[in-house]
Amino acid sequence: SSELTQDPAVSVALGQTVRITCQGDSLRRYSAGWFQQKPGQAPVLVLYGKNNRPSGIADRFSASTSGDTSSLTITGTQAEDEADYYCNSRDSSGNRVFGGGTKLTVL
Amino acid sequence: QVQLQESGPGLVKPSETLSLTCGVSGGSISGYYWSWIRQPAGKGLEWIGRIYSTVSTNYNPSLKSRVTMSVDMSKNQSSLKLSSVTAADTAIYYCARDRGIRGGEDYNMDVWGQGITVTVSS
Repeated sequence: SSELTQDPAVSVALGQTVRITCQGDSLRRYSAGWFQQKPGQAPVLVLYGKNNRPSGIADRFSASTSGDTSSLTITGTQAEDEADYYCNSRDSSGNRVFGGGTKLTVL
Repeated sequence: QVQLQESGPGLVKPSETLSLTCGVSGGSISGYYWSWIRQPAGKGLEWIGRIYSTVSTNYNPSLKSRVTMSVDMSKNQSSLKLSSVTAADTAIYYCARDRGIRGGEDYNMDVWGQGITVTVSS
């Protein structure tokens, strides 16, 4: 299956560490990408490949994978990190699929 | 830097064909995949499909029968056509550059347009 499952909502205290997970069979073979979307804005790629940040993305964002689960970790969460986060991956045919998204609230 | 701009009608009648264009500025359209993604109001992202150059396409299986993508190299733009639309196709439509797999790493969709809202209604 190429479906990806994310928790709908996660909260974190300002300055603390938070992990957002993405589960799916395709992640055993293909890496996940992670996108941040703030209200009224287009998604922004924050992590790609095994654990790579595009230029301009803060180094408090990191990725890891274990088995069928990929995780996005934010270390020292800032108020501006409050957003929706989406994972995506691909299947053997090259088709992409998105997870359902996680709404991150910074307390 | 590369910028993408979606354009097309904001209102489409049911059963008609939705047609959108993604203009690429600041870089070449060749050498990359060009994806389309949509997002109904208040909901998550749905990948529609992607095209590489003028010949290779991948479409979401759930939309494949209604989707056609193309690339016009001379105009540096990609296009999306979605036929037989219904109210369920009402969404913000985004185009994105997909760098695909390079050197064993999936570079994914690194540049996105601002999106265009398309409403299906009579």
